[in-house]
Amino acid sequence: GNSVTQMEGPVTLSEEAFLTINCTYTATGYPSLFWYVQYPGEGLQLLLKATKADDKGSNKGFEATYRKETTSFHLEKGSVQVSDSAVYFCALGRSSNTGKLIFGQGTTLQVKP
Amino acid sequence: AAGVIQSPRHLIKEKRETATLKCYPIPRHDTVYWYQQGPGQDPQFLISFYEKMQSDKGSIPDRFSAQQFSDYHSELNMSSLELGDSALYFCASSVQGFTTNYGYTFGSGTRLTVV
Repeated sequence: GNSVTQMEGPVTLSEEAFLTINCTYTATGYPSLFWYVQYPGEGLQLLLKATKADDKGSNKGFEATYRKETTSFHLEKGSVQVSDSAVYFCALGRSSNTGKLIFGQGTTLQVKP
Repeated sequence: AAGVIQSPRHLIKEKRETATLKCYPIPRHDTVYWYQQGPGQDPQFLISFYEKMQSDKGSIPDRFSAQQFSDYHSELNMSSLELGDSALYFCASSVQGFTTNYGYTFGSGTRLTVV
């Protein structure tokens, strides 16, 4: 079946450090991949997406590249800020179904000043 | 821009009671999804509706039911509540056929606490 695996957290970084949150997936066919962010007490916000192999999604300094050969969609940011502290979810969506998303278990990022 | 509206934001119920959660999608969105997120867990898909018909079903207990109305808002009805139902319930909406390209928009959620 389809699944998403994220690196375990929490990830604790100092401000301006480089961030990588690993995400790998298992799926048949050609899914779309997403990163969602959840700030404390809030809902999920779409951070970025990629719909086909080698696509790079980017937003607010975050980037992720859809790597079909390694079935990965790792999230990166060159210089994190305290305001980036949140839980990050990698998600997979199939292209032909009703739009259900399958989420990874989430990775908590804590950025210290 | 209008977002997905969920009500109530917080709800406290006793065991064996009934709860109704409401979701108002973004205007012109025809598809609604419900997710349940337990403490420290990833969101789990419960059910979805497209044009007022159930379009997909996930791990929704038989004690729960949902529907989408003619104005596209949706309600999740939960009966015989159990302590384990305490969670954040998210609604999301999208335009059918565009979800996998654009993702969808989540509401802020309803936090249900069963005591």
